[in-house]
Amino acid sequence: AQTVTQSQPEMSVQEAETVTLSCTYDTSESDYYLFWYKQPPSRQMILVIRQEAYKQQNATENRFSVNFQKAAKSFSLKISDSQLGDAAMYFCAYGGNAGNMLTFGGGTRLMVKP
Amino acid sequence: EAGVAQSPRYKIIEKRQSVAFWCNPISGHATLYWYQQILGQGPKLLIQFQNNGVVDDSQLPKDRFSAERLKGVDSTLKIQPAKLEDSAVYLCASSLGGFGYGYTFGSGTRLTVV
Repeated sequence: AQTVTQSQPEMSVQEAETVTLSCTYDTSESDYYLFWYKQPPSRQMILVIRQEAYKQQNATENRFSVNFQKAAKSFSLKISDSQLGDAAMYFCAYGGNAGNMLTFGGGTRLMVKP
Repeated sequence: EAGVAQSPRYKIIEKRQSVAFWCNPISGHATLYWYQQILGQGPKLLIQFQNNGVVDDSQLPKDRFSAERLKGVDSTLKIQPAKLEDSAVYLCASSLGGFGYGYTFGSGTRLTVV
């Protein structure tokens, strides 16, 4: 079974600064997807960024980018120019070949200081 | 486009009572998922439907939980009888198919069992 680990329960960043959230995973599959989701107090899981394992190029979405290290099974999220609205829970998730279910990590709470 | 709709938003019940949650997926999405998110943890898949058939219910506590998806559209998740450990957010998600096709979450139902 796949597992996803987020080793940072909480992170703090100053507004306009850069922060990196860590995620590692374990799988025996060669083709899969990795995701970062943001969950604000409204509870809805909002997709931040998606990476397909067969693509070597790291995904980027505006201020959000990932560092995908397939051999190391590492998938970190970098948030540049942090904004107050970035404060939320962030979840790393793995999507493999088993019916499109997502396996989530335990989450990292990001606080943004003005 | 309209998102994934869930109701109710909140529910408080006493242990041993029954409760039901409703989900209306995005129009045309064939796949529907129910996830359970216990406070402080990442979501965990309970059941996955493809149209009105069950794809995966291996993590569903079938002695007390049941789910159905009538006519391949709306879905209902029921708990009977509820236990204290069922207190969680129940998230519904839907997708067209694989991970590249609009995997979208609703805002969830927060259940408190007292």
